[in-house]
Amino acid sequence: SQELEQSPQSLIVQEGKNLTINCTSSKTLYGLYWYKQKYGEGLIFLMMLQKGGEEKSHEKITAKLDEKKQQSSLHITASQPSHAGIYLCGAPEGNNKFYFGSGTKLNVKP
Amino acid sequence: DAGVIQSPRHEVTEMGQEVTLRCKPISGHNSLFWYRQTMMRGLELLIYFNNNVPIDDSGMPEDRFSAKMPNASFSTLKIQPSEPRDSAVYFCASSLGSWLGDSNQPQHFGDGTRLSIL
Repeated sequence: SQELEQSPQSLIVQEGKNLTINCTSSKTLYGLYWYKQKYGEGLIFLMMLQKGGEEKSHEKITAKLDEKKQQSSLHITASQPSHAGIYLCGAPEGNNKFYFGSGTKLNVKP
Repeated sequence: DAGVIQSPRHEVTEMGQEVTLRCKPISGHNSLFWYRQTMMRGLELLIYFNNNVPIDDSGMPEDRFSAKMPNASFSTLKIQPSEPRDSAVYFCASSLGSWLGDSNQPQHFGDGTRLSIL
């Protein structure tokens, strides 16, 4: 089955600093989704990547999928306290399965 | 626009009792998913419906778990009898996609039901 490994497991950064979260797959990815979760709430969809080498940005968050389609990164520029939360990557396998990574907990110190 | 609505938000009950979790998907979405989130196992897909029909329930942990979708606007996840190890946060999600491989359609999640079995 699909395995998605995220690193780091947790991250504490000072406000204004840049950071990167990685998601590595055991298989070729045919779609990679990034979500954000705040404590006690559901997951909020951030971005989806599909093609090798693809890069998407929304506000200060940029996600990339490598050419081999086995690794994705999420980069936050000039982090703010509002960026704090748990970031999860997820991917489908075939038509009937969907797997999530274990998540990266981000704290941003004001 | 209303998102995915789950109820109750919190449930505390004793071992052996029947538990029913409810979900109202986003109007017009044709796929619905039930997930379970625990510290040990993370977020796991339990069952997936498309057009009200269960497509894959291989993630349902035991026969004690059952899910139904009687119409396009309502689904239930039932645990009978409940056990302490069922304690988790249960999420419902919906999407416009016809199948999980439809990578143009993200899943939209409800706020979850936090279930505690004593």
